[in-house]
Amino acid sequence: GENVGLHLPTLSVQEGDNSIINCAYSNSASDYFIWYKQESGKGPQFIIDIRSNMDKRQGQRVTVLLNKTVKHLSLQIAATQPGDSAVYFCAENRGTGYALNFGKGTSLLVTP
Amino acid sequence: EAGVAQSPRYKIIEKRQSVAFWCNPISGHATLYWYQQILGQGPKLLIQFQNNGVVDDSQLPKDRFSAERLKGVDSTLKIQPAKLEDSAVYLCASSTGRGNTEAFFGQGTRLTVV
Repeated sequence: GENVGLHLPTLSVQEGDNSIINCAYSNSASDYFIWYKQESGKGPQFIIDIRSNMDKRQGQRVTVLLNKTVKHLSLQIAATQPGDSAVYFCAENRGTGYALNFGKGTSLLVTP
Repeated sequence: EAGVAQSPRYKIIEKRQSVAFWCNPISGHATLYWYQQILGQGPKLLIQFQNNGVVDDSQLPKDRFSAERLKGVDSTLKIQPAKLEDSAVYLCASSTGRGNTEAFFGQGTRLTVV
C-alpha cells in the first residue's frame, strides 16, 4: 500500500552543524505534511508542517522543503544542538478527515 | 492549555490477559486517534474517532482490540486477550477536526506482554 519512508535510519552530526533529514512519500494525493520530533519516553511533538501548495516553510531554526515532483520532503535544522537529539518522523495526510500516516523515523544524534 | 492525558504510563501483563488504556484529549478537540508504536517503528493508526463516531478502524485487530469514545470526549482502548506481539507504546492523539491540522500526542502507555 501507500507508505511514507525515510532515506536514512540514523544521522550523527556535530553540535553547531546543520542537519538535513529526508523523507520520501508515495501517495500523490497527500496534501499536508508534518515533521514530528520524538524524545525517548515521550509522544511525538509537532515541529513544523507544510501544505502541498507550498514548497518551503521556515520556523525557528527549522525549514521544511517539499518537492512534489519527486515526492520528497526534507527537514533542515540549523545550528543543531544537543537538545535536538531525538527520532524525527515525517507524516503525511491525504486530505481533510484522514489520519496522519507516519514513516519509520530517523534517529538524530548530536555530538559535542 | 492542557495536553492529551493518558493512563497508565506503563503496564505489564501476561499473555491472554486483558488490559485497558484511557485517554483524555485536549478540550474541544473533535477528532481522537489511537496509534500503536512498536519499538523502532513509526506510529501506526489503530482507530480514528470524530466526536463519538468511528471514522477509520481498518487497521484495528477487531478480534482482540476494541475502543470506544462515549460522549465524544474520553476514550478507552482495550485488548482482550493480549498477545506477545501487542507489546508496544499506545499513543493517543487529538486534533480539532477542522481541516488539515496537526495532531497533538499524549505521552503514551508502554505495554509489555510477557
